Amino acid sequence: DQQVKQNSPSLSVQEGRISILNCDYTNSMFDYFLWYKKYPAEGPTFLISISSIKDKNEDGRFTVFLNKSAKHLSLHIVPSQPGDSAVYFCAASVKFGADRGSTLGRLYFGRGTQLTVWP
Amino acid sequence: NAGVMQNPRHLVRRRGQEARLRCSPMKGHSHVYWYRQLPEEGLKFMVYLQKENIIDESGMPKERFSAEFPKEGPSILRIQQVVRGDSAAYFCASSPDRGRPNEQYFGPGTRLTVT
Repeated sequence: DQQVKQNSPSLSVQEGRISILNCDYTNSMFDYFLWYKKYPAEGPTFLISISSIKDKNEDGRFTVFLNKSAKHLSLHIVPSQPGDSAVYFCAASVKFGADRGSTLGRLYFGRGTQLTVWP
Repeated sequence: NAGVMQNPRHLVRRRGQEARLRCSPMKGHSHVYWYRQLPEEGLKFMVYLQKENIIDESGMPKERFSAEFPKEGPSILRIQQVVRGDSAAYFCASSPDRGRPNEQYFGPGTRLTVT
């Protein structure tokens, strides 16, 4: 049962342009969302996250948008660079515990999107 | 501050043997998560542990798989009587008690090949 879906297995973008990676989820209990980047033969590297109480979070060239009514989130990379070429995974979770400092539970991952940024 | 460490990085086992995968979380992290990635798929959750406790094992196969995170030493994922279908990359992640508990930091993974 795939609760987090990335429907585009690949995306190709020219250097300097915007990359938009999309992710859909089905479980309305998810309240925290993350994006990871992964190179071959390495572990995933955390990029950016967003809580369900927000609709946008920005960190440098990376911005994540969350549309709760559509159960959709997207990662924007501007400007794209050749070093951004990697597989990008969307992940979602349900936090448990009280208030701040609550623990992140298991992550549900999408299947990933291979981003290629060409010069 | 060293990242999450996993060893071995590559492990080859024959069918029926046991595989032991080790994970040392980042310093100050007491939450450990194990995930498995099959070829062409995303990561699938297996188990979530804190020191000496299993918090969530809903992703663990019912047989042959076990995990522990003792008071001292690394977390261990143990697979008994391995089969070819166990061939995969196994990733460990850790998160802190305080500060930024909302991120899980991943190790480089152990690639298990069952021949």
